[in-house]
Amino acid sequence: ETGVTQSPTHLIKTRGQQVTLRCSSQSGHNTVSWYQQALGQGPQFIFQYYREEENGRGNFPPRFSGLQFPNYSSELNVNALELDDSALYLCASSLFGVDQPQHFGDGTRLSIL
Amino acid sequence: ILNVEQSPQSLHVQEGDSTNFTCSFPSSNFYALHWYRWETAKSPEALFVMTLNGDEKKKGRISATLNTKEGYSYLYIKGSQPEDSATYLCAPTNTGFQKLVFGTGTRLLVSP
Repeated sequence: ETGVTQSPTHLIKTRGQQVTLRCSSQSGHNTVSWYQQALGQGPQFIFQYYREEENGRGNFPPRFSGLQFPNYSSELNVNALELDDSALYLCASSLFGVDQPQHFGDGTRLSIL
Repeated sequence: ILNVEQSPQSLHVQEGDSTNFTCSFPSSNFYALHWYRWETAKSPEALFVMTLNGDEKKKGRISATLNTKEGYSYLYIKGSQPEDSATYLCAPTNTGFQKLVFGTGTRLLVSP
């Protein structure tokens, strides 16, 4: 069973640029969620995708957007990067349902200069 | 906004000690409570998902209880081992989808 994989592992961007982070879900999972973890905080929910549609969103501006593909892989896109976007971005896949555990990738560390 | 509090913030125990942590959350609109263990340089690992008031779950030396009426969950580790050293995160959800709201975690260090 292949776990959740994220790419790249590290990324450095400058303010105003755009970034795409990628996630491959664990085999058999149909739901993917993205989280942002800033230093000293717990992961913050960005959004969730189920059957290729956004199924819920946290308190993040529209410049954070995503996609889920038919093979359940996913992308997180962030436009007009700001310094505060520097964080660890985590992807988690699962079966659909609040009682389903989420399986996390190792994350992408994004640094904005 | 769901306010999730975990205590203590950090804990340092000796090998063999038993320990417990607390997760507090609003009791209204409760759907589920997740516990995760996050070791340094690894990805968060699911420990338990609990949905019913009075739920008790156990995985080896680790167990958890849930009180949805008063809004808290306890995580217990019996006979702590150095490999238990990690940050333990709780995350309730008060929506019908998996919008987990994580606390800041309890960082556990177990010394040999």
